[in-house]
Amino acid sequence: DAGVIQSPRHEVTEMGQEVTLRCKPISGHNSLFWYRQTMMRGLELLIYFNNNVPIDDSGMPEDRFSAKMPNASFSTLKIQPSEPRDSAVYFCASSLTTGRTGELFFGEGSRLTVL
Amino acid sequence: GESVGLHLPTLSVQEGDNSIINCAYSNSASDYFIWYKQESGKGPQFIIDIRSNMDKRQGQRVTVLLNKTVKHLSLQIAATQPGDSAVYFCAESFTGANSKLTFGKGITLSVRP
Repeated sequence: DAGVIQSPRHEVTEMGQEVTLRCKPISGHNSLFWYRQTMMRGLELLIYFNNNVPIDDSGMPEDRFSAKMPNASFSTLKIQPSEPRDSAVYFCASSLTTGRTGELFFGEGSRLTVL
Repeated sequence: GESVGLHLPTLSVQEGDNSIINCAYSNSASDYFIWYKQESGKGPQFIIDIRSNMDKRQGQRVTVLLNKTVKHLSLQIAATQPGDSAVYFCAESFTGANSKLTFGKGITLSVRP
C-alpha cells in the first residue's frame, strides 16, 4: 500500500520566491497534518485538517504560510514569500481518527532550503 | 533529515544490550502517549503507544513505561540491534476536541557493533 506521498523531496529556492509543497494522504484517512522539523525547534505542528476542514492552524508561523485541502486526497502548504528562516524539513502526516490508535503516518518529508 | 540529530542528546549502547530512552512530558492533562522512531532521511514512524490508564505496555522487543506521578515516559528496547539506530521521539496528547499530538525534542540512539 502506498504511504503518504510528498513532493518535492528537495527544494532549493531564493528568498522571496513562492514555495508550494504537496501531500497525498493515505486513502481513507480523514485527518491530515503538516509539521515542520528544524534542529532548533524539533517537530512543530503547523496545521491539521479533519475531513478536509482546517481544525487548528495556530502553529502556522505567520501570514506568509497558508495551507489548503481541496479534497480528501490532496493538500498543499504554500509559503509566499519565502525567507531563509523557513528552511526546514516539512512533513505531511495522515491518520484515521476513528482508528484504534492515534498513530500518524508520516511522509518522507520535503526538505526546503531558502537562500 | 540527516541533520536533525546533530544537537540532540545521544544514547550510545552496545549491540545486544538493552536500551532505555527517557522522556519527560509537560502537560499533566495528557492521557495518550506515543513513541516514534525517525531514521535518517525519513519521516517518523510509530513504534508503540500507551494510554494513561496503563503504566506498562509491551510490543515486539519494546516496552513503554508510564509514570504519571512524575510525568515520565520511557521506552525500553531489548537486545538492541544496529537497525535500531535512529532518533526517538515521545509525543503526547489529551482526549478532547481538537486535541493534537505534541512531540518532544528527540534522543539519538547510536548502536555500537
